[in-house]
Amino acid sequence: QSVLSQPPSVSGAPGQRVTIPCTGSSSDIGAGSGVHWFRQLPGTAPKLVIAANGLRPSGVPDRFSGSRSGTSASLAITGLQAEDEADYYCLSLDTFSGSKVFGGGTKLTVL
Amino acid sequence: QVYLVQSEAEMKEPGSSVKVTCKTSGLTFSSYSVEWVRQAPGHGFEWMGRIIPVYNSRDYAQKFQDRVTMTADGSTRTVYLELSSLTSEDTAIYYCARGGIDWNYQIDIWGEGTTVTVSS
Repeated sequence: QSVLSQPPSVSGAPGQRVTIPCTGSSSDIGAGSGVHWFRQLPGTAPKLVIAANGLRPSGVPDRFSGSRSGTSASLAITGLQAEDEADYYCLSLDTFSGSKVFGGGTKLTVL
Repeated sequence: QVYLVQSEAEMKEPGSSVKVTCKTSGLTFSSYSVEWVRQAPGHGFEWMGRIIPVYNSRDYAQKFQDRVTMTADGSTRTVYLELSSLTSEDTAIYYCARGGIDWNYQIDIWGEGTTVTVSS
């Protein structure tokens, strides 16, 4: 069971806006730890889409953005496109254990 | 351009050890960490630990503390992960990735992964 909670799946139609939540606790996101977001396509390594400081790696469109509030964070994708279909994971730091912790992943389906 | 190239897949018997290689290029050892993350079949990601080559320091996840060793060879820019006392639960894809000395720095460049299968 993952430390950070994500819904197993979300979906949206092309052009719509979707958000993927990541719920933590007072020892990770709530403690001010940065939250990073990755996407993974089947059979490939993960790729960073949003860093905690808002950085988007080269090639990631500005349709992707991250936010946080309290013990939770969210990844928002606007103008949904078919190529956005992937599994998305959040990552933060558990300040109590001193370990980095992942969310369980959310499968995004573009209808 | 930064690349992390990992060693080939391994088949291991229960109770044995595995050593995974992560050869880096373009990575400034003095400014970054190398992190190890695994993904078991049908499961999510699990952070195993990191090594900061410039300080020769390591931080291991408590779960692996007793049987993981991370080392780095600055002359060849290669990082190694060794995991001992393997069980079937260790069957997974093992990734090395670039992180930062700051704990909150992103993990931004990943190797392609090394599949380790533990079976008798």
